[in-house]
Amino acid sequence: AQSVTQLDSHVSVSEGTPVLLRCNYSSSYSPSLFWYVQHPNKGLQLLLKYTSAATLVKGINGFEAEFKKSETSFHLTKPSAHMSDAAEYFCVVRTNTGNQFYFGTGTSLTVIP
Amino acid sequence: IAGITQAPTSQILAAGRRMTLRCTQDMRHNAMYWYRQDLGLGLRLIHYSNTAGTTGKGEVPDGYSVSRANTDDFPLTLASAVPSQTSVYFCASSTRSGLSYNEQFFGPGTRLTVL
Repeated sequence: AQSVTQLDSHVSVSEGTPVLLRCNYSSSYSPSLFWYVQHPNKGLQLLLKYTSAATLVKGINGFEAEFKKSETSFHLTKPSAHMSDAAEYFCVVRTNTGNQFYFGTGTSLTVIP
Repeated sequence: IAGITQAPTSQILAAGRRMTLRCTQDMRHNAMYWYRQDLGLGLRLIHYSNTAGTTGKGEVPDGYSVSRANTDDFPLTLASAVPSQTSVYFCASSTRSGLSYNEQFFGPGTRLTVL
């Protein structure tokens, strides 16, 4: 069975400080993993994806994530938060054979000026 | 059209009424999906379609039906709306690579309120 746990429902950081959004997954097979961002009253936009190539994945807007199989984690990071990063972030897992995508419950990121 | 469009943007509906949410994509993606988003629950899959002419049930299919007559369109119908179907509905699509499916692209959503 596949599932995703986002460890923090809310994260608050000051502008210019690092961002860490945590995600752990459970998958019976080699997974593909994604991070999406959702700004208020908008649809979801892909930030980055891991599909069994390099374990450190770089995405848009300075975000990156590292796939750690031993820890079953795929945490999202950014060195320096910007006000425009305030949004809801979703971690998603998908098995490599199939079209079922499993969403975490989301992490709301607040950036304090 | 560029990407995925959904209509209407929002709707208030009386309980018991029938409603169809429309979704159209112009990317020629094989697969399409309907999700509902509720606070604290993330996105939950309602129905999906791997290719035109086929559909499947997701995690929360009860009270909803879909059809996939062609590649571009994937309407979601609530036959008799109930207040628990108040939610934000997102349509998504993805391409297929071999046995697996690539990342999903999402529409802007439809906010539905059932009174």
